[in-house]
Amino acid sequence: NAGVTQTPKFRVLKTGQSMTLLCAQDMNHEYMYWYRQDPGMGLRLIHYSVGEGTTAKGEVPDGYNVSRLKKQNFLLGLESAAPSQTSVYFCASSRQFSWSPLHFGNGTRLTVT
Amino acid sequence: AQKVTQAQTEISVVEKEDVTLDCVYETRDTTYYLFWYKQPPSGELVFLIRRNSFDEQNEISGRYSWNFQKSTSSFNFTITASQVVDSAVYFCALSDTGRRALTFGSGTRLQVQP
Repeated sequence: NAGVTQTPKFRVLKTGQSMTLLCAQDMNHEYMYWYRQDPGMGLRLIHYSVGEGTTAKGEVPDGYNVSRLKKQNFLLGLESAAPSQTSVYFCASSRQFSWSPLHFGNGTRLTVT
Repeated sequence: AQKVTQAQTEISVVEKEDVTLDCVYETRDTTYYLFWYKQPPSGELVFLIRRNSFDEQNEISGRYSWNFQKSTSSFNFTITASQVVDSAVYFCALSDTGRRALTFGSGTRLQVQP
C-alpha cells in the first residue's frame, strides 16, 4: 500500500528551467493538494483539486501550474523556475469530507540556482 | 479568513519533562475541524489527531493529550514525560465546512535532549 508517492525526491534547477513534479495516490481520494514548506512559514497551499479534471488556486499559486487528468495523479509544473521557488514541496490527498485528514507524500526538495 | 498561530517557534526540553505546544486559531465558521501533524527529522508528515468544533472533551493517547477550548480558540498539545523520539516539528491545522484545504500554522520545533 504505497499511499501518496512523489517523484522526484530531489531536484536542482537553474533559473529559467522548467520541470514537473508528479504525485500519485492509490487511496481513491477525491481531493489532492500541493503545498510548499519554507522555514518559519509552515505549509502554504499552492494549488488543489477536488476531483478529476478540476484545479483551483491556493494561497501562493503564482509561477506554478497544475493538472489533474486522472483521479490518481496530480502534477505540479514550474514553467520558468526562480530562486524564490527553492522549497520543499509536499503533495497530499484526502477524502472529500471536511473532517478527513490529509495523507502526505514524502516531499520533493527543489533547489533553484 | 482562517488563520492558525503557533507562537512558539522552538522549544527545547530535557527528556522526561512535560511540554505543551500552543495553537490558537481564527475562523468565522461554527463548524470546523482541528488537526495536529508531526514532522520528524526524516521529513514526512504524520497525522496525529483530529477534533471537531462541537466536541470540547480533552483527549489522551498514551503520553499525548490535547486540550481544546473554544472560549480561547485554542487547541493545545501536551507531551508528558517527553522522549528523544518526540523531537520533531509539530503543526496545528484548521479546516472548516467549506473547506477545500487545511490551513496550517507555522509549526513548533521541539527538541528533546537526552
